[in-house]
Amino acid sequence: GEDVEQSLFLSVREGDSSVINCTYTDSSSTYLYWYKQEPGAGLQLLTYIFSNMDMKQDQRLTVLLNKKDKHLSLRIADTQTGDSAIYFCAGAYSSASKIIFGSGTRLSIRP
Amino acid sequence: EAGVTQFPSHSVIEKGQTVTLRCDPISGHDNLYWYRRVMGKEIKFLLHFVKESKQDESGMPNNRFLAERTGGTYSTLKVQPAELEDSGVYFCASSQGTATNYGYTFGSGTRLTVV
Repeated sequence: GEDVEQSLFLSVREGDSSVINCTYTDSSSTYLYWYKQEPGAGLQLLTYIFSNMDMKQDQRLTVLLNKKDKHLSLRIADTQTGDSAIYFCAGAYSSASKIIFGSGTRLSIRP
Repeated sequence: EAGVTQFPSHSVIEKGQTVTLRCDPISGHDNLYWYRRVMGKEIKFLLHFVKESKQDESGMPNNRFLAERTGGTYSTLKVQPAELEDSGVYFCASSQGTATNYGYTFGSGTRLTVV
């Protein structure tokens, strides 16, 4: 079945770039997403990328997709304290209506 | 536009008791989903409603879980009797079209603790 994997923790210095990585197993994924969960809040859709794209940039966020290696990454430029959250990688498949999530990467920012 | 609303936000119950979680989707969203995140693990799909019909309930863990969506508006998820392993955060989400086109809009979740 589908599987999405992420590392559990990432710590970066304020002002540096953060890169959160994700690998997935099902190559039939049509859309890949990054969701953000701040403490006490729900899941917020940050950005998404179609499977026929290699890169998508949106202000401080850059998503890279390597379909050959089934690898997705999220880069946050100039990381701020407000970026502290759990980031979930997720994939959707045309054969199903559900989205498959990873375990989430907790991003912490140090001064 | 109001978002997806879930309540309660927190619930602490004893093992063996019953708990009912409620989700109010965004008005007009036919698709409603329930997900669960057990501590530190991935967010797992439970089930999907299209209007009042269960489209996919392949993620429901066992028959102690019962989801309903009478009238195709709000949905409830009942756990009876609750077990310790049911603890986690239960998320509801809704979407206008299929989730693959738009992603979901999630509620803030209900944190369930079974003691």
